[in-house]
Amino acid sequence: AAGVIQSPRHLIKEKRETATLKCYPIPRHDTVYWYQQGPGQDPQFLISFYEKMQSDKGSIPDRFSAQQFSDYHSELNMSSLELGDSALYFCASSSPPVNTEAFFGQGTRLTVV
Amino acid sequence: AQSVAQPEDQVNVAEGNPLTVKCTYSVSGNPYLFWYVQYPNRGLQFLLKYITGDNLVKGSYGFEAEFNKSQTSFHLKKPSALVSDSALYFCAVRPTGGGADGLTFGKGTHLIIQP
Repeated sequence: AAGVIQSPRHLIKEKRETATLKCYPIPRHDTVYWYQQGPGQDPQFLISFYEKMQSDKGSIPDRFSAQQFSDYHSELNMSSLELGDSALYFCASSSPPVNTEAFFGQGTRLTVV
Repeated sequence: AQSVAQPEDQVNVAEGNPLTVKCTYSVSGNPYLFWYVQYPNRGLQFLLKYITGDNLVKGSYGFEAEFNKSQTSFHLKKPSALVSDSALYFCAVRPTGGGADGLTFGKGTHLIIQP
């Protein structure tokens, strides 16, 4: 079965650079979530989209933005990167009804140097 | 705001013995509760969920969890542990009626199954 696809799998950036992470949800899933997992930490919810509209917002820094496109894929844009942004970034998707579980991608490991 | 507590950083169990990974939650209203498992450098894999109905829910790989509303708990259990069950387990909660609200995760519990 198709899963959530994230790209790239690994990314190395320097401080103050920008990064764009991409997420392709499971077909027919209309909801996308982004999470950040620091080393040894639990995943922290950043932001979610439902039918291409922002649905919920968590602990996403102002330097980050995201959107969901007409084909339901999503991109997380990160600017003015800081060392503390180094983490594993997960995308997850789910389908209606709202009480279904979210399926996670393999994640993008971002290292800021 | 909702929260999840996993009181044990690590649980050690001998292979073949029953295992329990504890989780308590705090949320206004009725919760949606989930368990996910994470293997090293991998994404989170869904194990099971409680939405409504029977308090005992069964999930993947022989895992089950019991929802206890009075104790606000959702402990993960398995009757007979396998070495391959060794991983990091996360309990998560989402309030009902939240649409596409994100999950709130616990800190995770390392489950170590000893041969």
